[in-house]
Amino acid sequence: KAGVTQTPRYLIKTRGQQVTLSCSPISGHRSVSWYQQTPGQGLQFLFEYFSETQRNKGNFPGRFSGRQFSNSRSEMNVSTLELGDSALYLCASSIRVNTEAFFGQGTRLTVV
Amino acid sequence: GENVEQHPSTLSVQEGDSAVIKCTYSDSASNYFPWYKQELGKGPQLIIDIRSNVGEKKDQRIAVTLNKTAKHFSLHITETQPEDSAVYFCAAPRFRGRNSGGGADGLTFGKGTHLIIQP
Repeated sequence: KAGVTQTPRYLIKTRGQQVTLSCSPISGHRSVSWYQQTPGQGLQFLFEYFSETQRNKGNFPGRFSGRQFSNSRSEMNVSTLELGDSALYLCASSIRVNTEAFFGQGTRLTVV
Repeated sequence: GENVEQHPSTLSVQEGDSAVIKCTYSDSASNYFPWYKQELGKGPQLIIDIRSNVGEKKDQRIAVTLNKTAKHFSLHITETQPEDSAVYFCAAPRFRGRNSGGGADGLTFGKGTHLIIQP
């Protein structure tokens, strides 16, 4: 069974640009959540989607957004990139909310 | 919201010895406590989890204990091996506020423990 797939693995963007990250969950999993990981703040919750609906959102500015498609694949978008957005962005999938969550390898975003 | 504290931040043990990592949580409604292992360049890997209806769970060399009264849970690794070297994270559910309908979405993580196994 394939795991969680995140693309791309690495990304370099300049300040002010926008970026879209993609996540394909494990087959049959309908819940997808996104996290930002940095050395200073650790793993922080961005948002969670279930059946194409955003269920909750963490304490991040409106520049961070996401969506989920009918096949459960999810994308997150960051607009007007800032240097502080440099981080590892992780996606996790679950069969449903509040069950075992399995992470992908992450997308390493560097903003210069 | 949920607050998860994890200690120690770094733990160095001799190969073959045991390692214990401890976490505390704040929300008494929390009912699910996973542990993740993250190796360099990889995403976190779920290694064991426990639900609030049990006090201990084992899987070969790893075990997790839960004390709901004290709101703390611990990861125990016995007979440590070099491949156990990694960063370990504990987590607990994030709860939405009552105005948002309640329920849990996502996880709140501890800051992580860098486990070093000395040969």
